[in-house]
Amino acid sequence: GAGVSQSPRYKVAKRGQDVALRCDPISGHVSLFWYQQALGQGPEFLTYFQNEAQLDKSGLPSDRFFAERPEGSVSTLKIQRTQQEDSAVYLCASSLALGAYYEQYFGPGTRLTVT
Amino acid sequence: DAKTTQPTSMDCAEGRAANLPCNHSTISGNEYVYWYRQIHSQGPQYIIHGLKNNETNEMASLIITEDRKSSTLILPHATLRDTAVYYCIVSANTDKLIFGTGTRLQVFP
Repeated sequence: GAGVSQSPRYKVAKRGQDVALRCDPISGHVSLFWYQQALGQGPEFLTYFQNEAQLDKSGLPSDRFFAERPEGSVSTLKIQRTQQEDSAVYLCASSLALGAYYEQYFGPGTRLTVT
Repeated sequence: DAKTTQPTSMDCAEGRAANLPCNHSTISGNEYVYWYRQIHSQGPQYIIHGLKNNETNEMASLIITEDRKSSTLILPHATLRDTAVYYCIVSANTDKLIFGTGTRLQVFP
């Protein structure tokens, strides 16, 4: 079956532009997560959803970052007025449910470069 | 969530066992130990997790000390495809994984 897919795989934006990153989770997975990974660092949590409800957005670095999952499946991470420090790989993951026994399945990521 | 400490890098010969240590001295009683790995240019991949008993699956074994303050991930017969960054994570659930910087394992021929 298909895994988690993300699009685009690569995005170059000029400073100040808005970008939208898409995540298609595994079908039937209730939980969806976004992480940001800077070069040479481990992924850092941004936010997560259970169905369409955003339960935790404590990791979003500023109010320029916004995530949504309106129908409980596909999710979009939007970054407004991009800055150079936003350059990173943005990873999406999904899991069947929340809880200790449910592993997260990760997509390949979107590499964002802000010039 | 408790913090973990891992060596920055390790080497292992192909075909030999790779033993990756992790210290988590402040782990709480309800926190699990999870291992994920990230191969270059890919998203992280789940390997195994455990609470207090040793665990084994088709990928690896997880040995947790009796006091739960440390653990070791064992890849019994490392291959070149096991070259990756390995992350040890402790968490009471999986709503927020805190990755750290992990151990970069290099498997050489």
